[in-house]
Amino acid sequence: AQSVAQPEDQVNVAEGNPLTVKCTYSVSGNPYLFWYVQYPNRGLQFLLKYITGDNLVKGSYGFEAEFNKSQTSFHLKKPSALVSDSALYFCAVRDINAGNMLTFGGGTRLMVKP
Amino acid sequence: EAQVTQNPRYLITVTGKKLTVTCSQNMNHEYMSWYRQDPGLGLRQIYYSMNVEVTDKGDVPEGYKVSRKEKRNFPLILESPSPNQTSLYFCASRYTDTQYFGPGTRLTVL
Repeated sequence: AQSVAQPEDQVNVAEGNPLTVKCTYSVSGNPYLFWYVQYPNRGLQFLLKYITGDNLVKGSYGFEAEFNKSQTSFHLKKPSALVSDSALYFCAVRDINAGNMLTFGGGTRLMVKP
Repeated sequence: EAQVTQNPRYLITVTGKKLTVTCSQNMNHEYMSWYRQDPGLGLRQIYYSMNVEVTDKGDVPEGYKVSRKEKRNFPLILESPSPNQTSLYFCASRYTDTQYFGPGTRLTVL
C-alpha cells in the first residue's frame, strides 16, 4: 500500500525567509509525486509534480521540490516566503505500477508572518 | 473557463435523508474522482471513474454511490447519510496526472 507522511501540522516562517514543507512517501514501485495548495474556502490547486527526470522540480508561484529517492522524500521549498503563501499544503503520491489511486498526506499549514 | 463545478456548496441535512452532490467538468477529461477532506487525514478518495460507465472504489467508499452516465458529470450519492459523513467533499477531474479540483461541498449531517 502507498502512503504519504507530512510530519509537521504547521510551519511558521517570517516573510523573506526560505521555507521548507516536508513530505515523505512509501510506495512499492516508482512514484509520481505532487504538491497541491489549498487557500481558505477554495479547492486544491496544483503546484508541481515529479514524474521522472531531474530531481529538482520547479512549479507555480516560485515553489520547487526536490525528489530524493534514497530518503523517499519530496520536500517543498521556496527561497523567499511571502505572506500570501500562507495556506494549507498537501503532498500526494501515486504508485505508477499500482493503478490510479492518488494518496494524500494529512496536510501542513504554512503561516508566513510579516 | 476550464473548471470543475460542484453543487451545492453547503448542505445541512438530517440522518437518513438521501442527497446528491453534483459535479461537472468542461475539460473533456476521462478520469474523475471524489474525495472527502477531514482534519489531520488529508484527502481520502471515495470513488473514481476512468470513463463513462466505468467506476471503482477508492479508499473510503462505504455509504456512498456514484454514477457516470456522461463524461462531464459525476454525481456523488448518499442514500442514507449518517453523522460520520459530515465532511468537506471535493470532486476532481484529471488530465495527464494533474488533478483539477472543484471548490468543495461542505456537508453537515445532523
